Amino acid sequence: SQQGEEDPQALSIQEGENATMNCSYKTSINNLQWYRQNSGRGLVHLILIRSNEREKHSGRLRVTLDTSKKSSSLLITASRAADTASYFCATDALRDIFGTGTRLKVLA
Amino acid sequence: EAGVVQSPRYKIIEKKQPVAFWCNPISGHNTLYWYRQNLGQGPELLIRYENEEAVDDSQLPKDRFSAERLKGVDSTLKIQPAELGDSAVYLCASSLTGEETQYFGPGTRLLVL
Repeated sequence: SQQGEEDPQALSIQEGENATMNCSYKTSINNLQWYRQNSGRGLVHLILIRSNEREKHSGRLRVTLDTSKKSSSLLITASRAADTASYFCATDALRDIFGTGTRLKVLA
Repeated sequence: EAGVVQSPRYKIIEKKQPVAFWCNPISGHNTLYWYRQNLGQGPELLIRYENEEAVDDSQLPKDRFSAERLKGVDSTLKIQPAELGDSAVYLCASSLTGEETQYFGPGTRLLVL
């Protein structure tokens, strides 16, 4: 079974709006990562948050982690058309470590 | 710094034919991963290498899939014989040992007819 599950499966917003996507996982983790995948490309690492961290920022990205709820959220502020991609969360489990992703579409 | 290199980028074959994918990881990255990604899904791990040793190949369909990383650098993933259901994107990634961040190649898109 998949370790990480993203929600929603698809999200469509206007440029300039914020986008929030969530990830739930099933077992204890040491860290959780978010990746982006543009169409036809490989995945690109965005940010890693460790189990002892609650929030982390990187540019327009804000990631939160709630280990008690086994969930994480990725917030993209002031979205741009170039943010259109699929976003995946991944934990440090060795197998099935990627969820099905959230497909974000930012409309110009 | 060069990224993860994969070839070919695209491959179309008929079922029952063999096919091979090649991956050259980032220099110095001892850990290498092969993933399969079906349309609309996330990547699924097939095999993970630490240097030349396969440390997790539990998800690799061993009846038709094989992989090798003989010198602990580049790696080859082979399917023989290919089936229609093998159509997918095959992604290679690498990382430094002990580091969680993986660096992905562009993938090989396989179409089995």
